[in-house]
Amino acid sequence: EAGVAQSPRYKIIEKRQSVAFWCNPISGHATLYWYQQILGQGPKLLIQFQNNGVVDDSQLPKDRFSAERLKGVDSTLKIQPAKLEDSAVYLCASSLETSGLTDTQYFGPGTRLTVL
Amino acid sequence: GQQVMQIPQYQHVQEGEDFTTYCNSSTTLSNIQWYKQRPGGHPVFLIQLVKSGEVKKQKRLTFQFGEAKKNSSLHITATQTTDVGTYFCAAPARGMDSSYKLIFGSGTRLLVRP
Repeated sequence: EAGVAQSPRYKIIEKRQSVAFWCNPISGHATLYWYQQILGQGPKLLIQFQNNGVVDDSQLPKDRFSAERLKGVDSTLKIQPAKLEDSAVYLCASSLETSGLTDTQYFGPGTRLTVL
Repeated sequence: GQQVMQIPQYQHVQEGEDFTTYCNSSTTLSNIQWYKQRPGGHPVFLIQLVKSGEVKKQKRLTFQFGEAKKNSSLHITATQTTDVGTYFCAAPARGMDSSYKLIFGSGTRLLVRP
């Protein structure tokens, strides 16, 4: 079974530039998550999709971050414009179930973003 | 919002020594999950505990869920260099629209001296 795919693996940009990340979840997984993991911290949920609908985006900085999951499969996360504090690893995860209560999440390799 | 606190932040042990990380919450948890993240890697699911007082073992790893379902621990017996990484606990919390989301602890980073 193929895992969660993410691209690119690394990205270096200057502040105020834009960047986009792509995620392809495990086939058949209804729920997709985007996390931000700052060095030395645990993953922080940015946005959670169930199929192609948003179920939680309460911690997404909506003035600069946006995400979509067209057709309920692939997803993109965009930052525009980037700030220095956005430097982090952006992890995509997916889970088979939709309850969120007992779901096992499967993580992709992440995209390491450096903002200069 | 709900938080899960993990201690210690770091642990540096000699190979063969035991290791324990603790996770605590101020509220009762419906369940708790544990993940391992190798250096430069991504979190990988280890186990989920659901019942009060539950104990589960995976080879040298022992996971416990407290009787009050407010704390959990992960114990590794006789650590090996392959155990190196950061161990996270994570618990579900109510999100928007009656959904649930996982809240991760800050993790315990384990270093093993060969």
